[in-house]
Amino acid sequence: ETGVTQTPRHLVMGMTNKKSLKCEQHLGHNAMYWYKQSAKKPLELMFVYNFKEQTENNSVPSRFSPECPNSSHLFLHLHTLQPEDSALYLCASSRVEERNYGYTFGSGTRLTVV
Amino acid sequence: AQKITQTQPGMFVQEKEAVTLDCTYDTSDPSYGLFWYKQPSSGEMIFLIYQGSYDQQNATEGRYSLNFQKARKSANLVISASQLGDSAMYFCAMRERGYQKVTFGIGTKLQVIP
Repeated sequence: ETGVTQTPRHLVMGMTNKKSLKCEQHLGHNAMYWYKQSAKKPLELMFVYNFKEQTENNSVPSRFSPECPNSSHLFLHLHTLQPEDSALYLCASSRVEERNYGYTFGSGTRLTVV
Repeated sequence: AQKITQTQPGMFVQEKEAVTLDCTYDTSDPSYGLFWYKQPSSGEMIFLIYQGSYDQQNATEGRYSLNFQKARKSANLVISASQLGDSAMYFCAMRERGYQKVTFGIGTKLQVIP
């Protein structure tokens, strides 16, 4: 266990469904991130939250909607997804002021859109 | 332009041997940090090692060392005494000054042969 927990581990959803991914950390970190990992492509940063405030949206389609109710929890709400959205979605956390350390990642949610 | 380049899609190494995974980066910022992550089949990204652009010595963490050649913009990961558990994807990443986000390469798949 890394200290960052993602649920569910696997998710299959239809294109008309609405689902949410959850990420939770109890490491005392104050920044949280969503990354998308597709086969044979570099990890793509989707969203950044610092102290619960969204500081970066990397041109992500509106069918992905993040929510960060507090510094320990991060959600990614999904609706009307496309098959090309199938990927591994990774959550990470860090302390904004500690730049010498890498992010702490969760194990990811493997999403399949059918 | 790609900021992180990993040119080895796959590598094989004999157990107990050393292996070098290549990484080159591109930045005009004099202050930056370089990271290596390991991703086993379970999916989670594990932080291995960090090198700052102003660090005089190459970073080491146990069996991992980073061969940092600043003029060549190269940050190769060296794993000594490979173990079967080292079989995984390895990602090189960079954080530039003033930017919170970490940019990743496409990864190298390492397989350790008994």
